[in-house]
Amino acid sequence: DGGITQSPKYLFRKEGQNVTLSCEQNLNHDAMYWYRQDPGQGLRLIYYSQIVNDFQKGDIAEGYSVSREKKESFPLTVTSAQKNPTAFYLCASSIDRRAGYTFGSGTRLTVV
Amino acid sequence: GQQLNQSPQSMFIQEGEDVSMNCTSSSIFNTWLWYKQDPGEGPVLLIALYKAGELTSNGRLTAQFGITRKDSFLNISASIPSDVGIYFCAGQGGGSQGNLIFGKGTKLSVKP
Repeated sequence: DGGITQSPKYLFRKEGQNVTLSCEQNLNHDAMYWYRQDPGQGLRLIYYSQIVNDFQKGDIAEGYSVSREKKESFPLTVTSAQKNPTAFYLCASSIDRRAGYTFGSGTRLTVV
Repeated sequence: GQQLNQSPQSMFIQEGEDVSMNCTSSSIFNTWLWYKQDPGEGPVLLIALYKAGELTSNGRLTAQFGITRKDSFLNISASIPSDVGIYFCAGQGGGSQGNLIFGKGTKLSVKP
């Protein structure tokens, strides 16, 4: 079955450490996205990529980095420069934005 | 940038009641989408609307694309406990970026 997989589901890290969240899709979608979700804040766009080897900053890119070396994969690194990294992170992909995005099941990152 | 105003922010209803929520935009959208997010999961697409005035149903859910193209409505009839979750609207303006713009969500709680 085609889908989008985020791993791990829960992640704990110490303050000051970088951490990488995985996102893999086998839907053959060109575009991929990373969102951050905080209670009452909705979905805020971190980074997106429309094609391999190219990506763009979203609304809250500071303290995050991404790569898009393969069509199927779009990992997100939360760096130590991110002031408040504890949040629920959602990855999504799309073949046509008008048809909407397919979301993964999310990764809950807790930094202690 | 474009913003969506989604209301209400939260709703507490009795099982069997009907539910209405809406989204308004400061600018015109070409596509309106409605998603539902179960606790701890990623959003799932419920309904997609592509034409002003369009009314589309999916089981007990009905959504409408406002004729001004600046708003959309979602109704849920005869609510049941599994309707609980966060409902997001999303619009796509077809601009140079064309990414989806998300509302902040309506959190629905249903009392049996």
